[in-house]
Amino acid sequence: GAGVSQSPSNKVTEKGKDVELRCDPISGHTALYWYRQSLGQGLEFLIYFQGNSAPDKSGLPSDRFSAERTGGSVSTLTIQRTQQEDSAVYLCATRKGGGRANEQFFGPGTRLTVL
Amino acid sequence: SQQGEEDPQALSIQEGENATMNCSYKTSINNLQWYRQNSGRGLVHLILIRSNEREKHSGRLRVTLDTSKKSSSLLITASRAADTASYFCATEGLYNQGGKLIFGQGTELSVKP
Repeated sequence: GAGVSQSPSNKVTEKGKDVELRCDPISGHTALYWYRQSLGQGLEFLIYFQGNSAPDKSGLPSDRFSAERTGGSVSTLTIQRTQQEDSAVYLCATRKGGGRANEQFFGPGTRLTVL
Repeated sequence: SQQGEEDPQALSIQEGENATMNCSYKTSINNLQWYRQNSGRGLVHLILIRSNEREKHSGRLRVTLDTSKKSSSLLITASRAADTASYFCATEGLYNQGGKLIFGQGTELSVKP
């Protein structure tokens, strides 16, 4: 596709359940980022993938959060045992190459609501 | 953690007026970027200014960067109702590997027709 796509667009879950959020990057973009946007915390970096390198997980808020990127393409962000404070919009972004000074292209986000 | 602060948090102007938003940050940067967000969903990249640049223009947008004050401003000239959105500055740290962005809290701009 022409842009970054994310699914689902909305997810409502019950506290304690696991959820998986998906990101399909722009073809050929080797760098992929997950961010979270919540009312209290603004936009926060979560995790970054670049090619086959080990991901930068420094932004993950707890060990309930994990992410994978298969074959350098699609990425899934998994949240285990969801809590109400996990409610937020989860945004995926991709970038061409690993060099700096390039814009990031954002997907439309997944709005997660934990009841 | 957030490192950027933006002001004002909200700005309401009439169509045709100019809108100025300011951003401050804390650490040394490689570049600073401005993004726009409609309706709380995906962000759209507006403009990028490198740390060795002082001013940049793109259409009705003008961005300045003062690294000595660790601040930037975004000016939108001749605003339109369609410019109504939230605007975020984001920095890419100088020593940051991988280009992850640190965002400011955003300015909510409302342009009244």
